[in-house]
Amino acid sequence: EPEVTQTPSHQVTQMGQEVILRCVPISNHLYFYWYRQILGQKVEFLVSFYNNEISEKSEIFDDQFSVERPDGSNFTLKIRSTKLEDSAMYFCASSPALGGYTFGSGTRLTVV
Amino acid sequence: AQTVTQSQPEMSVQEAETVTLSCTYDTSESDYYLFWYKQPPSRQMILVIRQEAYKQQNATENRFSVNFQKAAKSFSLKISDSQLGDAAMYFCAYRSLETSGSRLTFGEGTQLTVNP
Repeated sequence: EPEVTQTPSHQVTQMGQEVILRCVPISNHLYFYWYRQILGQKVEFLVSFYNNEISEKSEIFDDQFSVERPDGSNFTLKIRSTKLEDSAMYFCASSPALGGYTFGSGTRLTVV
Repeated sequence: AQTVTQSQPEMSVQEAETVTLSCTYDTSESDYYLFWYKQPPSRQMILVIRQEAYKQQNATENRFSVNFQKAAKSFSLKISDSQLGDAAMYFCAYRSLETSGSRLTFGEGTQLTVNP
């Protein structure tokens, strides 16, 4: 069964540093997403991406965040200058136009 | 905006028994999906079951079934013959069908404990 692959599984970074989280969505899916889950809280939508541009973003997705599809397979989330409160699990997902999502196994980001 | 509410932060069940997790949602749309996701301690998000709002028949997947009440905007998950491996956080989620590539909106989650 096709999978969404995320790397790394765990990243520790210093406050103020830039971090890039990587994802390989399912190849025939059209929509790509990033979600965030702070420990003990619910899963929150960050951004959706379609046809090489952002199709929707939440209020969490401020100027600190950016997404990119640098080639035909990868989909990245960049946090420019990390804060302690960015520590969370970050999930990448992909979907066809309608129907269910497939989630990756997540990247645990720890900002120290 | 759509909202999803899970009013039970924690539930417990004896192994082999049946448990029902509650979920309500608020929307003005008529076409949407509802999902239940399971999140074990590994924190991976695993799809348990999906319901299309236009379908009157309740979805079932082996030991998992839903009670979908569209008028009441209720979507509960029933787990039959509970197993130790069912212990996890369970999230209810909503997705609009009226726009392509729409976001998932999650509830706060219910932590399920299965007692041997």
